Amino acid sequence: DVQLLESGGGLVQPGGSLRLSCAASGFTFNNYAMSWVRQAPGKGLEWVSSISDTGGRTHYADSVKGRFIISRDSSKNTLNLQMNSLRGEDTAVYYCAKKYSDRFPCLEYWGQGALVTVSS
Amino acid sequence: EIVLTQSPGTLSLSPGERATLSCRASQSVSSTSLAWYQQKPGQAPRLLIYAASSRATGIPDRFSGSGSGTDFTLTISRLEPEDFAVYYCQQYGTSVLYIFGQGTKLEIK
Repeated sequence: DVQLLESGGGLVQPGGSLRLSCAASGFTFNNYAMSWVRQAPGKGLEWVSSISDTGGRTHYADSVKGRFIISRDSSKNTLNLQMNSLRGEDTAVYYCAKKYSDRFPCLEYWGQGALVTVSS
Repeated sequence: EIVLTQSPGTLSLSPGERATLSCRASQSVSSTSLAWYQQKPGQAPRLLIYAASSRATGIPDRFSGSGSGTDFTLTISRLEPEDFAVYYCQQYGTSVLYIFGQGTKLEIK
């Protein structure tokens, strides 16, 4: 079974940094693009960042560009999100998700989410 | 960038009834890139429908998707108690890779 398990969430002060990780299992990690999607309290879904299967291409929402860095470690089957210069509006549950395929570009499997709270 | 508008915002129905949820795109989109998700409180979203009309693995056949161009529909033929949740449509974009609608809350009447 596919499993995605996020870790690294918590409380951080504005301007601080946090690193999220997502441990993947149950599929060939190197064959799939991965993404981060967040959900602010009581709000809808917002795409944050994606990385290609090889890690050679990355994409970011304008709201996080220049502050967040997505990466993947194929030796550990892990997806990461380094979050810097955090703001109050970054407070959200962050989900990692696996892309279904290039032909059907949707998010097939999701982790349970990691809560990030940015507050002084 | 494409904008997805879902309607209604909230839909109040009873178990056993038929639910029809709409997702309208601001411009014509590819059907292969249109998906629907279900999210229950405190849970991660779950993929229901991909490529506008294909059910994801393990999704009951009471869920169906249809549409093309700018208008897409998620239909739940006969509501079960566990179907009351928030539903999102999603389109794959270019600068914004995953574009989500604002969601439709399906609540028990």
